[in-house]
Amino acid sequence: DGGITQSPKYLFRKEGQNVTLSCEQNLNHDAMYWYRQDPGQGLRLIYYSQIVNDFQKGDIAEGYSVSREKKESFPLTVTSAQKNPTAFYLCASSLSGYNQPQHFGDGTRLSIL
Amino acid sequence: SQQGEEDPQALSIQEGENATMNCSYKTSINNLQWYRQNSGRGLVHLILIRSNEREKHSGRLRVTLDTSKKSSSLLITASRAADTASYFCATDRIRGAQKLVFGQGTRLTINP
Repeated sequence: DGGITQSPKYLFRKEGQNVTLSCEQNLNHDAMYWYRQDPGQGLRLIYYSQIVNDFQKGDIAEGYSVSREKKESFPLTVTSAQKNPTAFYLCASSLSGYNQPQHFGDGTRLSIL
Repeated sequence: SQQGEEDPQALSIQEGENATMNCSYKTSINNLQWYRQNSGRGLVHLILIRSNEREKHSGRLRVTLDTSKKSSSLLITASRAADTASYFCATDRIRGAQKLVFGQGTRLTINP
């Protein structure tokens, strides 16, 4: 079955620690996205990538970093510079071009220890 | 920045009734999309309606788009307990490079 896999499902971060969230897709999609969702809120875009080896900042990129070395993978690192990292993180992918729906993984819930 | 706003924020109805959710947005769009999110899960795409379309159907779902009023509605007919979820509209802004902007969602509860 094609889809998007996010891991881990739950993650805990200590003060001053960087943590990396994994996102892998086997849908052969060119575009991938990272969103942050706070309780009772909609999604806010952190980073997106339309092609391998290229990515762009979204609306709330500060304190986060990404890489896109392979088409299938788009890991997100939450750095120690992100002072309020507790949230639900969602990864998505889509075909290139306009008018394409996005396909989502089941998320990673990050908490502070 | 949140472009879309859903109304109401929460809706509770009896099974079998119809549920209507509304979405308003601010800037010109390529398309508007509706997604469903079950508690603690990722989003599932429901319907995409392009800016030159006025109405679209998919099973028990009906979406309308009024670009002059910058608004859209999602109607779920003959609701079921399994429809209990949060529903989000998202807009793909013109020149937005496939960047979707999501509203804050409507939490729908279907009571058996």
